[in-house]
Amino acid sequence: RKEVEQDPGPFNVPEGATVAFNCTYSNSASQSFFWYRQDCRKEPKLLMSVYSSGNEDGRFTAQLNRASQYISLLIRDSKLSDSATYLCVVNGGNYGQNFVFGPGTRLSVLP
Amino acid sequence: SQTIHQWPATLVQPVGSPLSLECTVEGTSNPNLYWYRQAAGRGLQLLFYSVGIGQISSEVPQNLSASRPQDRQFILSSKKLLLSDSGFYLCAWSRGSLGEQYFGPGTRLTVT
Repeated sequence: RKEVEQDPGPFNVPEGATVAFNCTYSNSASQSFFWYRQDCRKEPKLLMSVYSSGNEDGRFTAQLNRASQYISLLIRDSKLSDSATYLCVVNGGNYGQNFVFGPGTRLSVLP
Repeated sequence: SQTIHQWPATLVQPVGSPLSLECTVEGTSNPNLYWYRQAAGRGLQLLFYSVGIGQISSEVPQNLSASRPQDRQFILSSKKLLLSDSGFYLCAWSRGSLGEQYFGPGTRLTVT
């Protein structure tokens, strides 16, 4: 089983739609969790950290389920500018070797 | 605020030539530093990380090496490039081992 798994998509949704991505991880000792977005041919940029209690940032909501070892990202009222690849990141600590990126889920928001 | 720089932005090199990519961070001290590679259409692969000057850990045996001559400078090198070294090279920094990582703009390397 891969350390971090995501549905590669693509998810093609109309503007204004709500879309949700899930991510599962295998290391039960993982300590911190993040969502990044990566535009085509650009560097990944931090979208939000994911806290145990769940957190929201505008149209974006992230949740963590430690018991089932999955993380979710919900995007409401999708904009054309949300089109990107969304990377789930799981960090088991112990310096660099446990900061594991998922393969990413591609989102296309259509007019 | 913190800024991370990488150069060059793009590079085309022949097989067998040497490589040197540089990354510098401003606005913070004693960051953890990382080098990643992303092959076309693939995920990020951690190559090296460093928790301090002169301290380098390698994740993947390969044709590459890294050095950290100064606190906020990280260099990726190769003596002889292979075709398989082509990819998007990203430098990142973090505060500590559990915090989020911030990426530089990357260097797109094509080995011909």
